[in-house]
Amino acid sequence: GAVVSQHPSWVICKSGTSVKIECRSLDFQATTMFWYRQFPKQSLMLMATSNEGSKATYEQGVEKDKFLINHASLTLSTLTVTSAHPEDSSFYICSARGDWTVQDYEQYFGPGTRLTVT
Amino acid sequence: GIQVEQSPPDLILQEGANSTLRCNFSDSVNNLQWFHQNPWGQLINLFYIPSGTKQNGRLSATTVATERYSLLYISSSQTTDSGVYFCAVDNYGQNFVFGPGTRLSALP
Repeated sequence: GAVVSQHPSWVICKSGTSVKIECRSLDFQATTMFWYRQFPKQSLMLMATSNEGSKATYEQGVEKDKFLINHASLTLSTLTVTSAHPEDSSFYICSARGDWTVQDYEQYFGPGTRLTVT
Repeated sequence: GIQVEQSPPDLILQEGANSTLRCNFSDSVNNLQWFHQNPWGQLINLFYIPSGTKQNGRLSATTVATERYSLLYISSSQTTDSGVYFCAVDNYGQNFVFGPGTRLSALP
C-alpha cells in the first residue's frame, strides 16, 4: 500500500516553455500533498504544501507564479513550472499524506521527476 | 524553524560490517522518518519512528524524543545498502524538514 507515482520521470524542455508534472496517490486518498526540489548532492527542500481543493502554501523564496500547484482531487496534484529557465533544472519530488493510517503524519514519496531546461 | 543534523556525512563500509547513523533535531516532533534514497533518486520509507524502537530485518531504529535524537542501525551491510540516508522531521504540522543526509558506500 501507500504508492505514489509521478509523471513524467524525466523531461527536457527549452528555455521559456512550461512543463507540467503530475503526482498521484494510487491506493489511498491524499488529503495533503507536498512538492520538494533536490539539487545534485543536496538534501530535499520543501517548495509547497497543498490540500485538496485549497490554494497551495508556498515556502519562503519559492515564486508562486513560477511554480503553479493544483491539487484538484484527493489523488492528484500537479506542479507546473512556467517559463522555465536553466536554473530551474532540478529533481522534483512529490509526497502525499493521507488519513487512512493511524500514523497520520507519515509521508510517502513519488519516484521523482528530473527536469532539464536547455 | 526546526534544525536537523545528521552524522556522519559520509560512511564507507566493507560488506558485512555494521553501522550507526545519527539524526539530531532541535525541537519536539510528532513525526520522524528515515529514508533511503537509491541511486535513481527514489526515496524508500524505512521507518516512521517519532519515538521508541523498531526493527525491520537488518535495519533497526531508535528515537529518544526527550533527548531529540534518532539512530538508524544497519547490520551486516550489503552493497545494495549504498545510497543516501535521510532523516526528516515534522514539527506539529509545520514544515517537514530533511537533514543533510549520510552518504553510505558499502564495498564488496
